[in-house]
Amino acid sequence: ELKVEQNPLFLSMQEEKNYTIYCNYSTTSDRLYWYRQDPGKSLESLFVLLSNGAVKQEGRLMASLDTKARLSTLHITAAVHDLSATYFCAVDGGSNQFYFGTGTSLTVIP
Amino acid sequence: NAGVTQTPKFRILKIGQSMTLQCTQDMNHNYMYWYRQDPGMGLKLIYYSVGAGITDKGEVPNGYNVSRSTTEDFPLRLELAAPSQTSVYFCASSYSMNTEAFFGQGTRLTVV
Repeated sequence: ELKVEQNPLFLSMQEEKNYTIYCNYSTTSDRLYWYRQDPGKSLESLFVLLSNGAVKQEGRLMASLDTKARLSTLHITAAVHDLSATYFCAVDGGSNQFYFGTGTSLTVIP
Repeated sequence: NAGVTQTPKFRILKIGQSMTLQCTQDMNHNYMYWYRQDPGMGLKLIYYSVGAGITDKGEVPNGYNVSRSTTEDFPLRLELAAPSQTSVYFCASSYSMNTEAFFGQGTRLTVV
């Protein structure tokens, strides 16, 4: 079974600071997804990464994928309060099955 | 454009009761999924479908059943509810494995 680990699990950061969330996974995969979930809400797709070296950016968020290291990063630039949410990575484990990490709860404080 | 619609939003069941969680999508997606999310945890795949008439087990299928008679609908059936099935259930759909998944708003189920 594919294991997906995110760290940190909890992140409290000040506005305007930069930080990175890490997503490690245990077996080979070249498809990885990032989602955002606000409290009590559903999941919203952020990025779809489909190959080694893939990099995608949207606003203050940038995601990358290193399939050889089995690692994806979600980098936050100049955080703002609106980015407070829980962020999940999900990895394609083959056979149409996705495995989710436990999530990183991000709080951006003034 | 409604996207993925789940009903009900909330439900309380007694142990041993049965219920069906409804999920419908209007995006003509072939892939549909059912996940459960326990408090403070990520999502775990219960069942998935790659098209009408085709379903398969995910990571945690025990105690659940699904059917996919049409492209639009993917209901999840709980036959004998148990407290361990208390969770938030999400239905999702995607065009393919290479595209983003769209999630419904979730069903919060409590079994007492």
